[in-house]
Amino acid sequence: GAVVSQHPSRVICKSGTSVKIECRSLDFQATTMFWYRQFPKQSLMLMATSNEGSKATYEQGVEKDKFLINHASLTLSTLTVTSAHPEDSSFYICSARVAPTYNEQFFGPGTRLTVL
Amino acid sequence: ELKVEQNPLFLSMQEGKNYTIYCNYSTTSDRLYWYRQDPGKSLESLFVLLSNGAVKQEGRLMASLDTKARLSTLHITAAVHDLSATYFCAVDPYGNQFYFGTGTSLTVIP
Repeated sequence: GAVVSQHPSRVICKSGTSVKIECRSLDFQATTMFWYRQFPKQSLMLMATSNEGSKATYEQGVEKDKFLINHASLTLSTLTVTSAHPEDSSFYICSARVAPTYNEQFFGPGTRLTVL
Repeated sequence: ELKVEQNPLFLSMQEGKNYTIYCNYSTTSDRLYWYRQDPGKSLESLFVLLSNGAVKQEGRLMASLDTKARLSTLHITAAVHDLSATYFCAVDPYGNQFYFGTGTSLTVIP
């Protein structure tokens, strides 16, 4: 149980294009989903917290207009990187939390974004 | 600012040896999580520690939590090559988000 999927696993795009990454909880309802970014040989950096049906809460320094997050249902959250540039290249990982009172997060397999 | 520090950052150890990775955090938290990450992969959950004095073991790995000292340890017994990976601890002191440690890159040498 508690499986989280991400799609796509890898994406290569040209500079200036937008890329959408999907995060799905497959066997549970996730009231909260999180989006992380990880640079090579570094720890995970929280980008935003996404609650179903409400606007995402972004961490300081993360551009809301650059990284659009939509949590449309209890099983799906999407991250759209708008007008991507090479510096947006990174490993993006989502996670989902089962319920408000159970705080363990279950992590997706990650999406490797490369912007040329 | 909340800090979660791991020690060491890099660890090279011989097969068969024992070693301990330390995770120190700067604010009170009674929840601590350990994860493993292989190159190019996402996080794999190893242990969930939910109270002071919690100890959990799985195979050659054992994790413990001392909330009073704000310290968790991940002990490796008789290391094997398959344990080579990066290990992260994470705390959730406020119940709303994880704060990850700096990570420990472990290489087990034959």
